This record gives sequence, C-alpha cells and structure tokens, in this order.
Amino acid sequence: AQSVTQPDIHITVSEGASLELRCNYSYGATPYLFWYVQSPGQGLQLLLKYFSGDTLVQGIKGFEAEFKRSQSSFNLRKPSVHWSDAAEYFCAVGGSTGFQKLVFGTGTRLLVSP
Amino acid sequence: DVKVTQSSRYLVKRTGEKVFLECVQDMDHENMFWYRQDPGLGLRLIYFSYDVKMKEKGDIPEGYSVSREKKERFSLILESASTNQTSMYLCASSGSGTSGNTIYFGEGSWLTVV
Repeated sequence: AQSVTQPDIHITVSEGASLELRCNYSYGATPYLFWYVQSPGQGLQLLLKYFSGDTLVQGIKGFEAEFKRSQSSFNLRKPSVHWSDAAEYFCAVGGSTGFQKLVFGTGTRLLVSP
Repeated sequence: DVKVTQSSRYLVKRTGEKVFLECVQDMDHENMFWYRQDPGLGLRLIYFSYDVKMKEKGDIPEGYSVSREKKERFSLILESASTNQTSMYLCASSGSGTSGNTIYFGEGSWLTVV
C-alpha cells in the first residue's frame, strides 16, 4: 500500500536560514509526488509537483524539491526562509494513472524565528 | 486559476443533526474529493467521485455519504452528526489525463458538532 512519511512534526528555522523538509514515500509503481502548503485556517496550496524528467523541480515562493528514487525521498528545500513561510507543509504521493487519488503525509509545521 | 469553493467556512451543529457541506468547482473537472483533516493525522480521504452520479468510498467513509448530481458540485452529507465528526473538511477537484494528476483544494469547512 502506498504511504508517505514526514518524520518531523515541527521544525523551527531562523529567518534567512536554509530549510529542508523531509518526505519519504512508499509506492509500488512510478510515483507522482507533490508538496502542498497550508496557512492557518486555509486550504492547501500546491507548491510543486514531480511527474517525470528532471529530478530537481522548482515551485512557487522559491521552493524546490529533489526526487531521489534510490532513497524513496522527495525533500523540500528553500535557501532562505521568510517569516511568511511559517505554515504547515504536506507531502503527497499518487499514481501515474489518469485518475488521481493522493495519499498525504501527516504534515510538518514550520515555525520561523526572528 | 482553478477555483474550488466551499460555501460554508464555519459551522456549528448539534449531535444528531443532518449536515450538508457543499463544494463547487469552476474548471469542468471530472474528479472531486472530500478529505477530512485532523491534527497529527494529516488528510484522510472520505469519498471521491470521477463522474456525475458516480462515487467511490475512500479510506474513512463511515458516517458519511455524498451526492454528485452535477459535474461542478459535490456534496458531503453527515446523516446524523456526532461529536467525533468535529473536524476540518476539505473539498478538492482534478481533471483527467496528465492534467488530472494535480488536485486543487478549497479553503476548508470547519465543522463543530456539540
């Protein structure tokens, strides 16, 4: 069965410092991978997605993620965090069929300190 | 931009009441979803629909039903609300084919059952 693990429940980063959020997945076929961000009280906004091709994908708000098949990982990175990045981040995995049903991780809450 | 609209952002209902959560999308998407989000559990799929009048159970369908009479509208129904259904409910939609691999979310409906 497919699953997603986000091992860090909370992460605190100083403003201006770099960020890496971890995501490991289990999927029996070629995975489609996503990162979403959720601000307090809001829905989920898509940050970036990986379907195929270049394993380093760029997203909105200066985020990027790297797909590593050998490690079953899809970690999210940002070189310099801004206070407005404080939110909850969800990694998700789905299949390559036309119909998409995603499985989500439990999320990582990012806190940004001054 | 894809827009998924959940008509009620905040609801308070009594135990035993019948509750309707409405969702409308404006992108002519074939697929629609209802997720439930709880702290520490991430997002869990309740029901999804891949066509008008079609529905499939997700991971936690017990206590819920859905209705999709028109392509753009997907309703979640709690036949007899209980306190353990207090949660945030997220509606989502996606298209078919490769474009269908991205799911777009509404802003969520906070339901409190007292």
